[in-house]
Amino acid sequence: EVQLVESGGGLVQPGGSLRLSCAASGFTFSTYPMSWLRQAPGKGLEWVAAITGNGALTNHADSVKGRFTISRDNSKNTLYLQMYSLRAEDTALYYCAKPYEDSGAYIPFDIWGQGTLVTVSS
Amino acid sequence: DIQMTQSPSTLSASVGDRVSITCRASQSISSWLAWYQQKPGKAPNLLIYKASTLESGVPSRFSGSGSGTEFTLTISGLQPDDFATYYCQQYSSYSRTFGQGTKVEIK
Repeated sequence: EVQLVESGGGLVQPGGSLRLSCAASGFTFSTYPMSWLRQAPGKGLEWVAAITGNGALTNHADSVKGRFTISRDNSKNTLYLQMYSLRAEDTALYYCAKPYEDSGAYIPFDIWGQGTLVTVSS
Repeated sequence: DIQMTQSPSTLSASVGDRVSITCRASQSISSWLAWYQQKPGKAPNLLIYKASTLESGVPSRFSGSGSGTEFTLTISGLQPDDFATYYCQQYSSYSRTFGQGTKVEIK
């Protein structure tokens, strides 16, 4: 069964840091580009960051550029999101997601994790 | 960034109704559009990609159409399981922007 399981969320003060993890199983992780997306409470979906299968290329949404960094460890089948300088507006449920195929740019996501909640508050 | 605008924001309908949701892009995205369904407390579920291709396992009562800047998701014969929020997403550019969502409610 294809599965993504996020962890690492929690309550953090403004200006703080957090690292999210996403453990993948049931597919050849290293061949798929992966993404992080988020959803603020009661709000819509926002793509946050993406990384190629070999980890060589990344891109980040303008809203997080310079503060968040996506990375991956293919030997551990794990995706990461390192978050620095967190703000109240970063409060959201963070999802990792797999595209439905491993070729092409910006492919839509057929598998999502259950999400991990990040709350930025003093 | 490409902006995606969905309408309506909320749609009240009855079981058996045919309903349509519109998604407009701020510039042409060819057919690089996907539709997702999300239920409360759950992750989104991919329904349609390339504007009109049904994802495996999705019931045939769901259909998508459009190209360029205007797209439509149609549910033919609304079922109790279909009451949810629907999002469109463009994947023409790296920003992969979503519409704001359309909540389909029971009338």
